Amino acid sequence: GAVVSQHPSRVICKSGTSVKIECRSLDFQATTMFWYRQFPKQSLMLMATSNEGSKATYEQGVEKDKFLINHASLTLSTLTVTSAHPEDSSFYICSAITGTIAKNIQYFGAGTRLSVL
Amino acid sequence: DAKTTQPPSMDCAEGRAANLPCNHSTISGNEYVYWYRQIHSQGPQYIIHGLKNNETNEMASLIITEDRKSSTLILPHATLRDTAVYYCIVRVFGNDMRFGAGTRLTVKP
Repeated sequence: GAVVSQHPSRVICKSGTSVKIECRSLDFQATTMFWYRQFPKQSLMLMATSNEGSKATYEQGVEKDKFLINHASLTLSTLTVTSAHPEDSSFYICSAITGTIAKNIQYFGAGTRLSVL
Repeated sequence: DAKTTQPPSMDCAEGRAANLPCNHSTISGNEYVYWYRQIHSQGPQYIIHGLKNNETNEMASLIITEDRKSSTLILPHATLRDTAVYYCIVRVFGNDMRFGAGTRLTVKP
């Protein structure tokens, strides 16, 4: 299947700093990418939908000024957690869609575990 | 997109078939049934999807009832590495994936 690469896999930072997470589609062009967040023992929650060359669409309750998303190319989307606080500690996962209508699959990255001290 | 209902947990003996059910009674005609799994601390892995016909690939088989209100994911010979949370999702083409609680499958030796 298609490969979505996410970097870094783990990051530990001090409260108040900003953290950037990269998501790349390695073998396909992704006009749309998605960012999810997962807290311990919970399911994935969609944060935002990112379209190449346009502003991201955020889910209700997700602060767009805190979670900055940039999708500057067909193979790269970035999520920046600005002024991170301990409550932002979570597992962040990106994904991208590829394929035709008959075979439309959303592939996921391996995730980034953010720990804010 | 329609919602799905899955049992919270299931056990399966290693080497036996694992049959994971999913109810999607409000599914509409243009919604596909997708199955993903998430092994601890990893991103979700695509398994299989279908519209109305049964599907099979190297990982699993997907059986969709004729009225499309439910489906079953079959892992034919479960191994310990198949222990994971399995998510059944119904989705219209192009929409994002919305995850429910899934089924935690534990394969036991």
